[in-house]
Amino acid sequence: DADVTQTPRNRITKTGKRIMLECSQTKGHDRMYWYRQDPGLGLRLIYYSFDVKDINKGEISDGYSVSRQAQAKFSLSLESAIPNQTALYFCATSDPGQGHNYGYTFGSGTRLTVV
Amino acid sequence: GENVEQHPSTLSVQEGDSAVIKCTYSDSASNYFPWYKQELGKGPQLIIDIRSNVGEKKDQRIAVTLNKTAKHFSLHITETQPEDSAVYFCAASTRGFNFGNEKLTFGTGTRLTIIP
Repeated sequence: DADVTQTPRNRITKTGKRIMLECSQTKGHDRMYWYRQDPGLGLRLIYYSFDVKDINKGEISDGYSVSRQAQAKFSLSLESAIPNQTALYFCATSDPGQGHNYGYTFGSGTRLTVV
Repeated sequence: GENVEQHPSTLSVQEGDSAVIKCTYSDSASNYFPWYKQELGKGPQLIIDIRSNVGEKKDQRIAVTLNKTAKHFSLHITETQPEDSAVYFCAASTRGFNFGNEKLTFGTGTRLTIIP
């Protein structure tokens, strides 16, 4: 099984609909992140969480919300989807406490299309 | 906040030749610089990283160099192979209130194509 699992892998939704993207991890990491990938723009941070009680906005949080239900689960919601939220979404985890390994572990992504 | 610029956006090299991807960063407090490789249909995967107290790091065919004064770092891939074809992202960490590497700022990516 993958260390970081994102569901669904693909989703097409209509403008104005509420949608939730889910992320679960078996790494035991405290820190979790949601990034959005767009062609030519790289990966941009939406929200991040350092532990269950901690939620922080990233650079492009408008139109999104998150919930950290447990150490292993971090979900991203689009309250009212709009077409410019069409993108590839990635969840990632990290644990800076593990020696010098500060690397992120990414999920396989959710491709979201808003029509 | 941190700003990371990455060049080129696309790169094609003959198999066996070397490839170089360059990044610059803006925040002099950044102290951690990883490189990620993203293959088609997958999430980015860490391939090498460097901290600011080191000028160069090598792992087999991959090396990363860092120039703190100029605030730029580069990825070097030698003896390229078809499996090196992918999108590569550089990143830099911003130092937060507890001085950890809380969040990475990524470059815009380089699509590397190895021509057989």
